[in-house]
Amino acid sequence: KQEVTQIPAALSVPEGENLVLNCSFTDSAIYNLQWFRQDPGKGLTSLLLIQSSQREQTSGRLNASLDKSSGRSTLYIAASQPGDSATYLCAVRPGYGQNFVFGPGTRLSVLP
Amino acid sequence: EPEVTQTPSHQVTQMGQEVILRCVPISNHLYFYWYRQILGQKVEFLVSFYNNEISEKSEIFDDQFSVERPDGSNFTLKIRSTKLEDSAMYFCASSSSGLGRFYFGSGTQLSVL
Repeated sequence: KQEVTQIPAALSVPEGENLVLNCSFTDSAIYNLQWFRQDPGKGLTSLLLIQSSQREQTSGRLNASLDKSSGRSTLYIAASQPGDSATYLCAVRPGYGQNFVFGPGTRLSVLP
Repeated sequence: EPEVTQTPSHQVTQMGQEVILRCVPISNHLYFYWYRQILGQKVEFLVSFYNNEISEKSEIFDDQFSVERPDGSNFTLKIRSTKLEDSAMYFCASSSSGLGRFYFGSGTQLSVL
């Protein structure tokens, strides 16, 4: 059974810092991996989707990498801003058409 | 950007009552999902739906739950007899393909009293 963990559980940084969020999964046989952002009491906003054949994806200040063989993904946020404060969720899709399995999230606070 | 729409945003019900949560997925999407998130816990999978039938369901999705796509646009989750532990945020998601990005709705906060 696929298990997803995220480290750290919470992170507080001053504005302008570059930061890395980590995601680990137990079964390397995945189809793709998606990073989401969740604001308190709100839905999930898709940030980046990486297919199993890809090594990384970029969108603006965000860069996600995938190392399938080691069961890891990282989300890099450059020049963090207070508006980046949210919970970041990593989710892994084991197979075609299957549901995503979510990690517990990293709660990020960017201080002005 | 296209959106998944969920209604209502909040639902309060008495234990034992039936509730129906509604979702309008993105119009050309083929795969539909329900997830839930109990306060402070992980997002949990409930059920997936493709080609007018359930393709996968979790242990949570017992006989009290059902899903339906009554027309070409709506996707509903019914809980027949709600329990206190059903209190959670329920999210609908859709995807254009089996490999595609998931798009989530903003959720329905269900409170069972």
